Amino acid sequence: GAGVSQSPSNKVTEKGKDVELRCDPISGHTALYWYRQSLGQGLEFLIYFQGNSAPDKSGLPSDRFSAERTGGSVSTLTIQRTQQEDSAVYLCASSLDSPSYEQYFGPGTRLTVT
Amino acid sequence: AQKVTQAQTEISVVEKEDVTLDCVYETRDTTYYLFWYKQPPSGELVFLIRRNSFDEQNEISGRYSWNFQKSTSSFNFTITASQVVDSAVYFCALSGPAGKSTFGDGTTLTVKP
Repeated sequence: GAGVSQSPSNKVTEKGKDVELRCDPISGHTALYWYRQSLGQGLEFLIYFQGNSAPDKSGLPSDRFSAERTGGSVSTLTIQRTQQEDSAVYLCASSLDSPSYEQYFGPGTRLTVT
Repeated sequence: AQKVTQAQTEISVVEKEDVTLDCVYETRDTTYYLFWYKQPPSGELVFLIRRNSFDEQNEISGRYSWNFQKSTSSFNFTITASQVVDSAVYFCALSGPAGKSTFGDGTTLTVKP
């Protein structure tokens, strides 16, 4: 079946602009995660969704970052007034209904803020 | 608070050598889940193994084996008879019941022919 997909694969934007990143999880996966991976670094947890609700938003770096999930499926991560330090690969993952299950990762969106 | 430490940033071995990747974790949860993922040069992370906090059985899968020890908060990963295709970044991860996932910084393994 189809894996996790993310769009766009690459995004170049000017400092100060808003960007929206999209994630389509595996069908039937109720849990969805967003991470940020800077060059050569580990994964930084941003947010976790169970269905449409986000019980843990503790990882969002600032109030410029927000995420939503509708219909228990597609999720969007929005970064407002982008800064150069936002440049990174943003990864989305989905899993079956609890954190005990392994996560399946998408290919990521590479964001470059100029 | 959750923390995962992979002290080995980079490891280089020659093909057919055995190699162990270390992972030490910290958590206040009594129920938690541990994972290893592989990120090959192509980029996408791939799941390797999962362990629940109440299951300390070690596991072997082909050339891969995992040693989970709650007493030392460690979940180490051994590759036996390494191959060039094992070259990748390996991440250890910890998830708590509330959903937060913490990844280590990764260990870059290079296997030379």
